[in-house]
Amino acid sequence: GQQVMQIPQYQHVQEGEDFTTYCNSSTTLSNIQWYKQRPGGHPVFLIQLVKSGEVKKQKRLTFQFGEAKKNSSLHITATQTTDVGTYFCALSSNTGKLIFGQGTTLQVKP
Amino acid sequence: GAGVSQSPRYKVTKRGQDVALRCDPISGHVSLYWYRQALGQGPEFLTYFNYEAQQDKSGLPNDRFSAERPEGSISTLTIQRTEQRDSAMYRCASSRQGITEAFFGQGTRLTVV
Repeated sequence: GQQVMQIPQYQHVQEGEDFTTYCNSSTTLSNIQWYKQRPGGHPVFLIQLVKSGEVKKQKRLTFQFGEAKKNSSLHITATQTTDVGTYFCALSSNTGKLIFGQGTTLQVKP
Repeated sequence: GAGVSQSPRYKVTKRGQDVALRCDPISGHVSLYWYRQALGQGPEFLTYFNYEAQQDKSGLPNDRFSAERPEGSISTLTIQRTEQRDSAMYRCASSRQGITEAFFGQGTRLTVV
């Protein structure tokens, strides 16, 4: 079935450094969603991308959907300690179910 | 309600017992999803409903697992004859109709001893 691969699995950065996580699929995606899960918390929706080549920004976060709609990325500029957590991408399968990647866990050293 | 509510928050049960996990979605949300999440892993899809219809149950590990949503609102995930390997965080999420954001509950931490 459909699945997405996320890399890297872990990332440790110094506060102020940038961070990027990538989500890749072998099949064309109709859309992709991004979620953030804080330690001890539950996944919280960040954004949904639908169009080929789409770029959306939320303050220091930039989300991209690849031209071929097979990959996506989340970039955080100048990380802060509040960015700590695990970032998941998720795709909607052709049956409507929401499938999550394995996530990238971000640690930020102050 | 204001958000997705799951109960109980924690459940410790003896191996071989049956457990029922409850999910109360956001009012009016059509879709309801059940996931299992191991520590350090992404949510693993179990099953999902649109209204009362179970659309996909391909993620249920075996026939000890079942789910229902009889009136299209509250859902129950039942695990029969629990085994230690069933220990995990079980998460429920709901969404409006169509491909929209999913809202997660706090989860039920199940421990089988």
